Amino acid sequence: AQSVSQHNHHVILSEAASLELGCNYSYGGTVNLFWYVQYPGQHLQLLLKYFSGDPLVKGIKGFEAEFIKSKFSFNLRKPSVQWSDTAEYFCAVFLGQNFVFGPGTRLSVLP
Amino acid sequence: DTAVSQTPKYLVTQMGNDKSIKCEQNLGHDTMYWYKQDSKKFLKIMFSYNNKELIINETVPNRFSPKSPDKAHLNLHINSLELGDSAVYFCASSPGTGSYGYTFGSGTRLTVV
Repeated sequence: AQSVSQHNHHVILSEAASLELGCNYSYGGTVNLFWYVQYPGQHLQLLLKYFSGDPLVKGIKGFEAEFIKSKFSFNLRKPSVQWSDTAEYFCAVFLGQNFVFGPGTRLSVLP
Repeated sequence: DTAVSQTPKYLVTQMGNDKSIKCEQNLGHDTMYWYKQDSKKFLKIMFSYNNKELIINETVPNRFSPKSPDKAHLNLHINSLELGDSAVYFCASSPGTGSYGYTFGSGTRLTVV
C-alpha cells in the first residue's frame, strides 16, 4: 500500500546534539514532499518542502532535508538542536488534493 | 487573530451522544479540510470542501457529516459517538483545491467514554 513511514517514534537528544529524522515514502513518480512541525498545543506548521531541483532543501529554524530518490527517502536534519525544538515532526506527501502524513516522530530535547 | 480556529479544543462525551466541532478560517481560502489523527498519530484526510462543495469524502462512517454554510466555515457533526471515534480532529484550509499551502487549526481532542 502507498504510505509514508517515519523511522523513529520518539527521539531524545541533549541540546546541541545533531538531529536526523528518517522518512520514507512508497509513492512512485513525481512526489511533493513536506516536513511539518507541531509544537505542544499548537497547530501544524510547515518546516520545508521539496518539489524538484536541488535535493537538499533548507527550511525555517535551521532545518534542512535531503531527497534521495533512489531510496525513496526525505530525511530531516538539524546540526544542533535546541530545547525549543521539542515537538512532533510529520513527514508528508502531497497527492494533488490532499496530504498523506507519516505517523510522526516526537522529539524531546533535554536542556 | 487566529487564522484557522476550532472549537472546542477538548471534548469529552459519552458513547451514543451527538456532538459537533466547529471550524472557521479568516484567510479568504476557498478550500477547507477535516483530518483525523488517531491514537497511533496517523493523520488522515476525512473531507474537503471547496467553496461549500464537497470535494473529498474518504471512507468515513455515515455518522460523520460535514457541513459548510459558507466557505469560511466547515463544521463536523458526529452522531452516535463510539469509543473508536476518540482522536484529535484537525481542520485546515488552503487557497484552493490542488494547493499545498495549508493552514491548520490547533486541533480538537475528542474523547468518548
